[in-house]
Amino acid sequence: QVQLVESGGGVVQPGRSLRLSCAASEFTFSNYAMHWVRQATDKGLEWVAVISSDGNTKYYADSVKGRFTISRDNSKNTLFLQMNSLTTDDTALYYCARRSTSLDSWGQGTLVTVSS
Amino acid sequence: IQMTQSPSTLSASVGDRVTITCRASQSISSWLAWYQQKPGKAPKLLIYKASSLESGAPSRFSGSGSGTEFTLTISSLQPDDFATYYCQQYNSYPWTFGQGTKVEIK
Repeated sequence: QVQLVESGGGVVQPGRSLRLSCAASEFTFSNYAMHWVRQATDKGLEWVAVISSDGNTKYYADSVKGRFTISRDNSKNTLFLQMNSLTTDDTALYYCARRSTSLDSWGQGTLVTVSS
Repeated sequence: IQMTQSPSTLSASVGDRVTITCRASQSISSWLAWYQQKPGKAPKLLIYKASSLESGAPSRFSGSGSGTEFTLTISSLQPDDFATYYCQQYNSYPWTFGQGTKVEIK
């Protein structure tokens, strides 16, 4: 069974940085594009970023472009999201998800709270 | 591409046939997925490519449409189906989700 486990969330001040990780197991991680999706409390889903299976192609939501960087380490089956210049609007539960048919497997999420 | 779902909230009873609509601001061919989300849980993929049932999803769920208009139908609503449903386009980046439809108990 596909497992995706996010970590790295926490409380951070506006303007600071945070790095999220997503540990993947029970599938061949290097074969799949991977995504980050976030959800503010009691709000809808917002797509954040994608990285291709080989790490060479990346796309971002306009709301995070220039501030967030998605990356992966296929040797360690791990996906990352480097988040810089955080604002209160970035406060959300961050999910990593695998792209197969669409986003067919999701982690449980890691909570990021941006607050002074 | 903007995705608009209707209604935002739907009240229904067990056994009802339920339909949720999703409209795209431009053609997305059939690159549309539907997800179910329950409180405190991650979303779960139900339908991909507009009408293909994800493995493990109950057969009472079906999807239809292409271009800009899509529907998710639950043929006979079950107690486990009370949740929020999201459509999502994956025709082009940035991917976008609809705002969600909450299915409540009537």
